[in-house]
Amino acid sequence: DQQVKQNSPSLSVQEGRISILNCDYTNSMFDYFLWYKKYPAEGPTFLISISSIKDKNEDGRFTVFLNKSAKHLSLHIVPSQPGDSAVYFCAASAEGSSNTGKLIFGQGTTLQVKP
Amino acid sequence: GAVVSQHPSWVICKSGTSVKIECRSLDFQATTMFWYRQFPKQSLMLMATSNEGSKATYEQGVEKDKFLINHASLTLSTLTVTSAHPEDSSFYICSAVGHYGYTFGSGTRLTVV
Repeated sequence: DQQVKQNSPSLSVQEGRISILNCDYTNSMFDYFLWYKKYPAEGPTFLISISSIKDKNEDGRFTVFLNKSAKHLSLHIVPSQPGDSAVYFCAASAEGSSNTGKLIFGQGTTLQVKP
Repeated sequence: GAVVSQHPSWVICKSGTSVKIECRSLDFQATTMFWYRQFPKQSLMLMATSNEGSKATYEQGVEKDKFLINHASLTLSTLTVTSAHPEDSSFYICSAVGHYGYTFGSGTRLTVV
């Protein structure tokens, strides 16, 4: 039972354009969501998070949007840069923004930003 | 910032042997550590939750006798893959929870031949 789903395995965008990565979840108990960036043979690197009490969180080029009614979140990267090319995972937790509960990860989306 | 050191970064072992992977929080205390495994082009799957001084909590389908987890101190958790088989070959990642939230180790690539 895949509680967190990233239905697009890959995405390719041109440098300077917007990258939009999507994530859907099924467990209504999830109340804290995170996005991670990962290179092969390395651990995930935290990008940005959002609590279920918000619908948007922004940090520089990265913005996460949360639509609770649709159980959907998205990560926007603008402008996209070649260095953004990596695998992006969304993750969810049911432990609140205490940031201590176990994370459930999506399958990941490979982003390629072309120069 | 928080740093988690995971060692070794890669290991090759013979089928039937055991392998120990260490996860250390270098500059913070972690009462909770999580162990994940990732197969190629797949998600990070949570294996177990490790709490300092108590037994680990394993996710459904994970054999606790095969994947031994020890969290003897607030800065160290170990995962031992016992009697390894080729199907145990995977990428194992730990995550330590501290003041800054989740911090991941760099992962261990295990290959069983």
